[in-house]
Amino acid sequence: DAKTTQPNSMESNEEEPVHLPCNHSTISGTDYIHWYRQLPSQGPEYVIHGLTSNVNNRMASLAIAEDRKSSTLILHRATLRDAAVYYCILRDSAGGTSYGKLTFGQGTILTVHP
Amino acid sequence: DSGVTQTPKHLITATGQRVTLRCSPRSGDLSVYWYQQSLDQGLQFLIHYYNGEERAKGNILERFSAQQFPDLHSELNLSSLELGDSALYFCASSVDGDFNSPLHFGNGTRLTVT
Repeated sequence: DAKTTQPNSMESNEEEPVHLPCNHSTISGTDYIHWYRQLPSQGPEYVIHGLTSNVNNRMASLAIAEDRKSSTLILHRATLRDAAVYYCILRDSAGGTSYGKLTFGQGTILTVHP
Repeated sequence: DSGVTQTPKHLITATGQRVTLRCSPRSGDLSVYWYQQSLDQGLQFLIHYYNGEERAKGNILERFSAQQFPDLHSELNLSSLELGDSALYFCASSVDGDFNSPLHFGNGTRLTVT
């Protein structure tokens, strides 16, 4: 599986935007970029995913670089509830033995200050 | 609430014993995934079932086995337990096994081996 690189930790203030970066320089043309987050004492939660174009949903926005070697998850107004570990994951659409599964890295620990 | 139910929430057992973890996927989901999360290893993919059939295997030990039943619930069996098997075990489900389908995680079973 292609690897992703994320900062170990980031901090933000409540109600401010947060930009969480992810580098994936070895991404292949068939890899989708997925973001999940894990709140304390809970299972991971799906946030957003995309292939080439920027994506928006009710939780966040995903900005994908033109060369697809990096992406940024944008939380428009951070709340205390957004404090979590955020995982950037490449998911292979070409099938094979990696079909469907997610491979988690270490993620970014986001701290939100009141 | 993700709609994925895992039982029991907590399990304490002794080394050498055998336990069964149970997962009920979201209604309509055909795929079930099992993950193990420990402090030093992070979230590790164990196994993926789709509509009763094994789809992919990850770093699952030979002492561990799983199955998905006709009603689509799944069980993860852990035998000859060792102290190092203490971890959080998560089940996730998705509509199908497709790379584009988000995974929905339960809140896990915390296994403590003493």
